[in-house]
Amino acid sequence: SAVISQKPSRDICQRGTSLTIQCQVDSQVTMMFWYRQQPGQSLTLIATANQGSEATYESGFVIDKFPISRPNLTFSTLTVSNMSPEDSSIYLCSVMAGPANTEAFFGQGTRLTVV
Amino acid sequence: QQPVQSPQAVILREGEDAVINCSSSKALYSVHWYRQKHGEAPVFLMILLKGGEQKGHEKISASFNEKKQQSSLYLTASQLSYSGTYFCGTGNAGGTSYGKLTFGQGTILTVHP
Repeated sequence: SAVISQKPSRDICQRGTSLTIQCQVDSQVTMMFWYRQQPGQSLTLIATANQGSEATYESGFVIDKFPISRPNLTFSTLTVSNMSPEDSSIYLCSVMAGPANTEAFFGQGTRLTVV
Repeated sequence: QQPVQSPQAVILREGEDAVINCSSSKALYSVHWYRQKHGEAPVFLMILLKGGEQKGHEKISASFNEKKQQSSLYLTASQLSYSGTYFCGTGNAGGTSYGKLTFGQGTILTVHP
């Protein structure tokens, strides 16, 4: 299994500002994934963070809005830039672990409210 | 393409059974099932791989029909602790897509005493 610490757990931010979310894993992993979950909705993959290379973004998400860092094999950050109320969501980081690395483990999430 | 889950919601009494379905419009390599309680992170239940067998975990089991591109989650003799939102996530074989999951819209399961 994997234990993921994510912080902050929640924040209320002013529109136009940026927030950086941190994700720490208790073991080394090749890929880390960032998801967004809007209230009452499903999880949508934002990007995949690989150590030593640029993050790979899914359709609809761009690096300027969601820059990601991956300085080592246990840590990643996601920044939500120039925030607007539409960015209010839960942001979760995830890693694959378990037998054959087939189980996705999630951090507790960051509940972001933009006012 | 997001997999489609049905039903959207189900209400049970303790001890009753439920089935949640997950269908995809494209060929599946793996199907992952998660349960999320309000305010918490999704928790892994099980994974079914292409060519794999039906799996079980206590009173929760699942099947994977590759031909029909669908999976079903079976909850038997439901308990109050089963309440939550169930998500299926579909995965790709490997390469740069490995680990990326596309989640269905979720099924809200409520178990009453």
